Amino acid sequence: EAGVAQSPRYKIIEKRQSVAFWCNPISGHATLYWYQQILGQGPKLLIQFQNNGVVDDSQLPKDRFSAERLKGVDSTLKIQPAKLEDSAVYLCASSLDNYNEQFFGPGTRLTVL
Amino acid sequence: AQSVTQLGSHVSVSEGALVLLRCNYSSSVPPYLFWYVQYPNQGLQLLLKYTTGATLVKGINGFEAEFKKSETSFHLTKPSAHMSDAAEYFCAVSGEYGNKLVFGAGTILRVKS
Repeated sequence: EAGVAQSPRYKIIEKRQSVAFWCNPISGHATLYWYQQILGQGPKLLIQFQNNGVVDDSQLPKDRFSAERLKGVDSTLKIQPAKLEDSAVYLCASSLDNYNEQFFGPGTRLTVL
Repeated sequence: AQSVTQLGSHVSVSEGALVLLRCNYSSSVPPYLFWYVQYPNQGLQLLLKYTTGATLVKGINGFEAEFKKSETSFHLTKPSAHMSDAAEYFCAVSGEYGNKLVFGAGTILRVKS
């Protein structure tokens, strides 16, 4: 069974630029999560989708972050414009539904200069 | 709201020695508890989880953890450390809102030869 795929693995941008991350969850998983992991901290949930609907985006900085999962499968997370404090690893995870184990992708390491 | 505290951001043990990583949680509902491991440049891998039932939980790679409700703890142990155990370990809690995970800050385990 293929795992959660993420791309790119690494990204370096200047502040105020835009960036997008892509996630392909495990086939058949209805629930998809995006986490932000800042160096020295545990992952923090940014947004949770159930199919193509948002379940929880309470910790998403909506003035600069956006995410979509239009067909209930792949998802993209966008930052526009990026700030220095957005430097982090962005992890995508998926689960069968809202009550099952989450499986994590390898993450995208973002550096904002 | 749920929270997790991991005591010790860095733990160093000798190869063959006991590994003990500490985790305390706060939860207003019966918690589900997890330990994840993260190797460099990789995503999170589930080591073990406690949901209900037996309070001593065995996981992969020889790790185990014991849920102690009276102490609100879920410490991770392994009788004999291997060099391959060197990684960062995260304790997490869920249960208040489905499987939404709240992570601790992580503990980096170093294994000395």
